[in-house]
Amino acid sequence: QKEVEQDPGPLSVPEGAIVSLNCTYSNSAFQYFMWYRQYSRKGPELLMYTYSSGNKEDGRFTAQVDKSSKYISLFIRDSQPSDSATYLCAMRRDKLIFGTGTRLQVFP
Amino acid sequence: SAVISQKPSRDICQRGTSLTIQCQVDSQVTMMFWYRQQPGQSLTLIATANQGSEATYESGFVIDKFPISRPNLTFSTLTVSNMSPEDSSIYLCSVDTGLGYEQYFGPGTRLTVT
Repeated sequence: QKEVEQDPGPLSVPEGAIVSLNCTYSNSAFQYFMWYRQYSRKGPELLMYTYSSGNKEDGRFTAQVDKSSKYISLFIRDSQPSDSATYLCAMRRDKLIFGTGTRLQVFP
Repeated sequence: SAVISQKPSRDICQRGTSLTIQCQVDSQVTMMFWYRQQPGQSLTLIATANQGSEATYESGFVIDKFPISRPNLTFSTLTVSNMSPEDSSIYLCSVDTGLGYEQYFGPGTRLTVT
């Protein structure tokens, strides 16, 4: 079993939709939870991070962590074509462990 | 945040040769990392490079194949030695700001081995 599982998608949604991206994990030692966005032919860009359980909001993006269920989510409201990218979840103990990434396409 | 540049951005190399990838950061950082990203797979950590000490390699990666240098707090190189087509991948440099959670990535080097 992988330490971090992420649905690879692809996920295709119309502009304006609410997008939900999810990851599950198996190691309860993880404390920091991150979401990275990676555009085609670019390096991953840190989008949001959360420490322990709870919610964090930044503009159209909301990150949720449920440590009891070992489940994290990223919600994107009012999605835009510019949000089309691969979204990678990552979790940290002594090092970052990444999910495989979910490809998202937002069409006009 | 940190701004990271990598050279080359891409290369096509022949089997059996070596390629050295450079990573430059715009600020001094303690920890630098090298990752590999293969199509459809997650980022895999190759090694951690601290200035003034030997790099620490992850399971499955060895120094003879991926020698790393870290001569100062803003620069590192990764060499992919004796390349085979299986080494075709994107290689990414990353830095840790020391805050425990913020890790930044360079744009990557896209390597194709023929």
